[in-house]
Amino acid sequence: GNSVTQMEGPVTLSEEAFLTINCTYTATGYPSLFWYVQYPGEGLQLLLKATKADDKGSNKGFEATYRKETTSFHLEKGSVQVSDSAVYFCALSKNDYKLSFGAGTTVTVRA
Amino acid sequence: GAGVSQSPRYKVAKRGQDVALRCDPISGHVSLFWYQQALGQGPEFLTYFQNEAQLDKSGLPSDRFFAERPEGSVSTLKIQRTQQEDSAVYLCASRTGTSNEKLFFGSGTQLSVL
Repeated sequence: GNSVTQMEGPVTLSEEAFLTINCTYTATGYPSLFWYVQYPGEGLQLLLKATKADDKGSNKGFEATYRKETTSFHLEKGSVQVSDSAVYFCALSKNDYKLSFGAGTTVTVRA
Repeated sequence: GAGVSQSPRYKVAKRGQDVALRCDPISGHVSLFWYQQALGQGPEFLTYFQNEAQLDKSGLPSDRFFAERPEGSVSTLKIQRTQQEDSAVYLCASRTGTSNEKLFFGSGTQLSVL
């Protein structure tokens, strides 16, 4: 079946540090790939997406590239801020409604 | 409010009790979804509605779980004879079109079964 494996946390960083969260997936065909973020006390929200191989999704300084050859969709940000502290979920979808999520990675950024 | 609203925010039930969790989607959103998120895990798909039609219920863990959306707006997830393994956060999401890009999640109902 479809599944997502993402880097275990928690991850603790200092402000302005570089962030990478690894995500790999298992699926047949060409799923769409997503990163969702959950800020403290808020609901899940879409951070970025990519729908085909070599697509790069980007938003709020975060980037992730759909790598078919390595079945990966790693999330990166060059300089994190305290406000980036959140739980990050990698997800995939093979159809237009069902999302399969990874277990989530908790990121804490210290001032 | 403008977002997806879920109630109650927290629910404590004794094992064997029935519970009902409510979701108020964003007005006008055709599609509605329920997910279950166990502690330390990502959300797992439970079921999907388009208007009042339940198009996919393949994720419901057992026949103790039942979801409905009779008028195509508010939805209720009912769990009968709750078990400890039902303890989780239950998330509702809605969207207006067919793209997962426009999916909005509520803050969830945290269910604890003692």
